[in-house]
Amino acid sequence: KQEVTQIPAALSVPEGENLVLNCSFTDSAIYNLQWFRQDPGKGLTSLLLIQSSQREQTSGRLNASLDKSSGRSTLYIAASQPGDSATYLCAVYSGGGADGLTFGKGTHLIIQP
Amino acid sequence: DAGITQSPRHKVTETGTPVTLRCHQTENHRYMYWYRQDPGHGLRLIHYSYGVKDTDKGEVSDGYSVSRSKTEDFLLTLESATSSQTSVYFCAISEDGGVYGYTFGSGTRLTVV
Repeated sequence: KQEVTQIPAALSVPEGENLVLNCSFTDSAIYNLQWFRQDPGKGLTSLLLIQSSQREQTSGRLNASLDKSSGRSTLYIAASQPGDSATYLCAVYSGGGADGLTFGKGTHLIIQP
Repeated sequence: DAGITQSPRHKVTETGTPVTLRCHQTENHRYMYWYRQDPGHGLRLIHYSYGVKDTDKGEVSDGYSVSRSKTEDFLLTLESATSSQTSVYFCAISEDGGVYGYTFGSGTRLTVV
């Protein structure tokens, strides 16, 4: 059974720093990996989707990489801002129907002004 | 999220009463899902649908039923609400079963007293 782990569970950094969030998964046979952002009391907002054939995806200050063979993905946030404060979730789709989506427990990020 | 709406956003109900949550999409996606999110458990799949009148159970389906009579609407019913069903419920959609990623709604916060 696929397992997804996110490290660290929580992170607090001063504004302006570049930071890296980590996601690891146990089964490398995946279709894609998706990073989400969740603000308190809100829904999940999709940030980046990386297909298994891709190595990275970029959107603005965000860059996500995927190393399928080693079971790892990183989300890089450049020049962090207080508005980046949220919980970041990593989800892996392994196929096989609706049960094929596995979430990590998230990294709770706080950017200090 | 644009294209997917959940109603109601908040609901308080009494133990033993029936409750129906609605998910509406305008993306014409084939697949629709209901998840619940709880502290310590993350996101767990309740039920999903792969077409009109085609539904199946997820990881935590006991006490829940679903219906999909139109492509755009997916209803989640708690036949007799219990306190253990107090949670945040998220609807999600996908175009092709997860291959192109998932889009989530804003959630319904349900409290059973």
